[in-house]
Amino acid sequence: NAGVTQTPKFRVLKTGQSMTLLCAQDMNHEYMYWYRQDPGMGLRLIHYSVGEGTTAKGEVPDGYNVSRLKKQNFLLGLESAAPSQTSVYFCASSYGYSPLHFGNGTRLTVT
Amino acid sequence: AQTVTQSQPEMSVQEAETVTLSCTYDTSESDYYLFWYKQPPSRQMILVIRQEAYKQQNATENRFSVNFQKAAKSFSLKISDSQLGDAAMYFCAYRSYTGANSKLTFGKGITLSVRP
Repeated sequence: NAGVTQTPKFRVLKTGQSMTLLCAQDMNHEYMYWYRQDPGMGLRLIHYSVGEGTTAKGEVPDGYNVSRLKKQNFLLGLESAAPSQTSVYFCASSYGYSPLHFGNGTRLTVT
Repeated sequence: AQTVTQSQPEMSVQEAETVTLSCTYDTSESDYYLFWYKQPPSRQMILVIRQEAYKQQNATENRFSVNFQKAAKSFSLKISDSQLGDAAMYFCAYRSYTGANSKLTFGKGITLSVRP
């Protein structure tokens, strides 16, 4: 049972480049989330999804897009990366009101 | 919107001693969940303990227990018999009971160091 898997684990981008982070869960969870973690800021919600085909904005959505075409996958896209998007990104999923299960994070550096 | 405040950025405890990490939150809801997550240097997010707001009894998990004061909107974590492996960043988090808003809001975290 893999749980929540994030790919890639590390990535370096140049300003203006685009990329997609993939999150996959094998627990049949309805809810999926993307957070970013920055020093002194805790984890802040970027976007989330309460079911296949649905997405909603979180606290810091600007510069990001998401898609949930399949229940098990939640993709986070950066169309034009900026240095301010240098961060550690976490994906999480949950079923109902159960605690969130987190992936191991992706460290993204934008130069 | 709900907010979670962890006012102490760092704390230190002697091995085998007890330490309490503070957390306050702001909400207008009556039903919700509260959590403490641990993040060791490996970066993994580990659930430590959770509390349902409708339960008056404080949650306990082995050496970890909470002091939940609903009226004061306070949710502190007590770690007893601290161990070197407890050194990590700890996050307090709030989750609404409402399905459509069922997202986790985190505090900024506190870094706990354990002195041998």
